[in-house]
Amino acid sequence: DTAVSQTPKYLVTQMGNDKSIKCEQNLGHDTMYWYKQDSKKFLKIMFSYNNKELIINETVPNRFSPKSPDKAHLNLHINSLELGDSAVYFCASSQDLDYRETQYFGPGTRLLVL
Amino acid sequence: GQQVMQIPQYQHVQEGEDFTTYCNSSTTLSNIQWYKQRPGGHPVFLIQLVKSGEVKKQKRLTFQFGEAKKNSSLHITATQTTDVGTYFCAGPTGTASKLTFGTGTRLQVTL
Repeated sequence: DTAVSQTPKYLVTQMGNDKSIKCEQNLGHDTMYWYKQDSKKFLKIMFSYNNKELIINETVPNRFSPKSPDKAHLNLHINSLELGDSAVYFCASSQDLDYRETQYFGPGTRLLVL
Repeated sequence: GQQVMQIPQYQHVQEGEDFTTYCNSSTTLSNIQWYKQRPGGHPVFLIQLVKSGEVKKQKRLTFQFGEAKKNSSLHITATQTTDVGTYFCAGPTGTASKLTFGTGTRLQVTL
């Protein structure tokens, strides 16, 4: 009965590869997010979707492409992985776009690019 | 762009000592949220403050929102080892759905 789940939990891959991370929430929320947390623990928003519609697209390289097949799922595909992409990627969801809503985070995907 | 800074970056205390982290925004915030991230874990929502000068308590944790709504603090009384983790403040910036997270304060508590 996990609220926000992500797969895989760990991802080790070579530079230049393409990889995907999946996220699902069973909270019935309308809004989902992707965050990147670097080695210094800085947490930066990458994308947000509301009812499958892209709302926020921060200055993220276009190698990163989110996809929301339905409002319970938000996947992240990364092309041509680079060393600097190594980080923890968190998916999160909130009831709706209201900034006062609590965000619920998934367990994170630890990506290591070699 | 808007920045949300926290100090200190890191604090190491003995169990039983008090701890405070300060959050400062370059612009006025309509509200502020606090999250805790345990080592190896994910951020978990603690509380939200909305009103100027608001003070809220959760057991040993006291949260305060500044009068000008540009700063906030989290104070932990008599820390315990279970308080270990990184504490983040977060405030809305730009579009309504975007939360900007502070730089975080990592708390280490030893016996």
